[in-house]
Amino acid sequence: TQLLEQSPQFLSIQEGENLTVYCNSSSVFSSLQWYRQEPGEGPVLLVTVVTGGEVKKLKRLTFQFGDARKDSSLHITAAQPGDTGLYLCAGASAGSNYKLTFGKGTLLTVNP
Amino acid sequence: GAGVSQSPSNKVTEKGKDVELRCDPISGHTALYWYRQSLGQGLEFLIYFQGNSAPDKSGLPSDRFSAERTGGSVSTLTIQRTQQEDSAVYLCASSTDQGNNSPLHFGNGTRLTVT
Repeated sequence: TQLLEQSPQFLSIQEGENLTVYCNSSSVFSSLQWYRQEPGEGPVLLVTVVTGGEVKKLKRLTFQFGDARKDSSLHITAAQPGDTGLYLCAGASAGSNYKLTFGKGTLLTVNP
Repeated sequence: GAGVSQSPSNKVTEKGKDVELRCDPISGHTALYWYRQSLGQGLEFLIYFQGNSAPDKSGLPSDRFSAERTGGSVSTLTIQRTQQEDSAVYLCASSTDQGNNSPLHFGNGTRLTVT
């Protein structure tokens, strides 16, 4: 069974601070997706990374896929209250690329 | 355009009753997924439909759970003889399923509470 461990589980910071969220596994994934979920809503895709070592930027968010495609990180610069939410990573394996394995998520709270 | 629609948004039922959850995917999306999200847990894969192919039911936790997709569009997830451990948010998602980069578009879920 593939597992994705996310850390930290909870993160509460002040507006303007930087933060990094980690997603780790002992398994290799063919691709990895990051989602953000707000209360009462479904997850919304932020980014997909496919190539080992790949870095993608989305405004103040920077996503990195590990060289071995076993881990990923999400870095947020100058966090804002609107960044508050549950951040989920999800990996797809080559054998069944439709069956995503999700981490338990990092609940981020950005205080004004 | 319209996103994935799920109904009801909330469902409270007594232990032992059957429930049906409905999902209307985005028009034109051939792939449909059901996931379960329990408190403090990640999303748990339940079932996957792709076109006319046999669904992947490998994630269904017991034979009390079943799902169907009629006409390649609307899907219903049925839970028979509900138990308290079935309480969770049931999320439906659809995608164009063009390989592993196809983003999943999720509905807002049905929050099921079994009393």
